[in-house]
Amino acid sequence: DSGVTQTPKHLITATGQRVTLRCSPRSGDLSVYWYQQSLDQGLQFLIQYYNGEERAKGNILERFSAQQFPDLHSELNLSSLELGDSALYFCASSPPGPSYNEQFFGPGTRLTVL
Amino acid sequence: AQSVAQPEDQVNVAEGNPLTVKCTYSVSGNPYLFWYVQYPNRGLQFLLKYITGDNLVKGSYGFEAEFNKSQTSFHLKKPSALVSDSALYFCAVGSGTYKYIFGTGTRLKVLA
Repeated sequence: DSGVTQTPKHLITATGQRVTLRCSPRSGDLSVYWYQQSLDQGLQFLIQYYNGEERAKGNILERFSAQQFPDLHSELNLSSLELGDSALYFCASSPPGPSYNEQFFGPGTRLTVL
Repeated sequence: AQSVAQPEDQVNVAEGNPLTVKCTYSVSGNPYLFWYVQYPNRGLQFLLKYITGDNLVKGSYGFEAEFNKSQTSFHLKKPSALVSDSALYFCAVGSGTYKYIFGTGTRLKVLA
């Protein structure tokens, strides 16, 4: 158990809908990362937050947005869902200091869009 | 632009034999290199990293990796494979920009 929690574990929804994925980082970690893992695209970096501020952006679609709250939990919002958005979504956190680049991954949220 | 390649989709090795999982990278500037392992239905777990210093890096569960700058490689190795090492292994590269690029993964199968 990495200490990173993600809810829900599974999510099934329809095209065009909007969902919110939630992540709680390990105690003391200030950074949160979001990744999408699909069979055809592998693990894709979406976005990173540090202490509430966006720090880096990857291949995140405009239909997707994220934020990190003052208590450091983060939410990833996916809207106008398409079949191709079906994937595993991972959140990771990392600590401040010299180990800032060691990421601890949550168990993931499996999103199925029908 | 950063990129990382794992040329083998799957590696099979007999238990007790040494194993190597290959990774090559491309990055501007000094690379930050990582190996992660993913067991079925689990998130990725950090194994080891190279930032600077000794080219041979030791990590969790007896794994090590060798940084080779001239060949732009960071292969993962273990002297004696265990059946429990069977999993999906990911190489990742960063360059201090907080963006991390992951390889496509190599499935390691250790045969008893």
